[in-house]
Amino acid sequence: KQEVTQIPAALSVPEGENLVLNCSFTDSAIYNLQWFRQDPGKGLTSLLLIQSSQREQTSGRLNASLDKSSGRSTLYIAASQPGDSATYLCAVANQAGTALIFGKGTTLSVSS
Amino acid sequence: GAGVSQTPSNKVTEKGKYVELRCDPISGHTALYWYRQSLGQGPEFLIYFQGTGAADDSGLPNDRFFAVRPEGSVSTLKIQRTERGDSAVYLCASSLGSPGFQETQYFGPGTRLLVL
Repeated sequence: KQEVTQIPAALSVPEGENLVLNCSFTDSAIYNLQWFRQDPGKGLTSLLLIQSSQREQTSGRLNASLDKSSGRSTLYIAASQPGDSATYLCAVANQAGTALIFGKGTTLSVSS
Repeated sequence: GAGVSQTPSNKVTEKGKYVELRCDPISGHTALYWYRQSLGQGPEFLIYFQGTGAADDSGLPNDRFFAVRPEGSVSTLKIQRTERGDSAVYLCASSLGSPGFQETQYFGPGTRLLVL
């Protein structure tokens, strides 16, 4: 059974710092890996999607990498801002692409 | 354009009652998903529809849970004989559903269910 783990569970940084969020998964047979952002009381917003054949994706200040063989992904946030404060969720899609399996998330707080 | 909408936003019910949760996907999206998120946890997959049919219902926890999508658009998640452990945020998502195409899921704001 696929399990997704995110480390750390929570992170507090001052504005301007670069930071890395970690995600690991137990079964490398994935369809893709996605990073989402969740604000309190809100739904999820997709940040980046990495196909199983890709190594990384970039969007603005965000860069996500995927190492399928070792079961790891990282989300790099450059020059963090208070508006980046949210919970970041990592999810892997099963091989059929029909379901996402999520980690518990990393709650990020960026202080000004 | 409109995103995924869910109604009601909050639902309080008593143990043993029946509830229905509604999801309106993005227009034109053929794939629809239901997830459940408990406090402090990531969302947990429940069921996936492609069009009108449930293509993967492996996440439904037991036979008290049932979902329908009769016309391939709006979906209803039905929970019978609710238990306190059913309390959670129920999230709906949709995607274009193009076969073999890597695409993201767009999530609604969720329905917060509280079973007393």
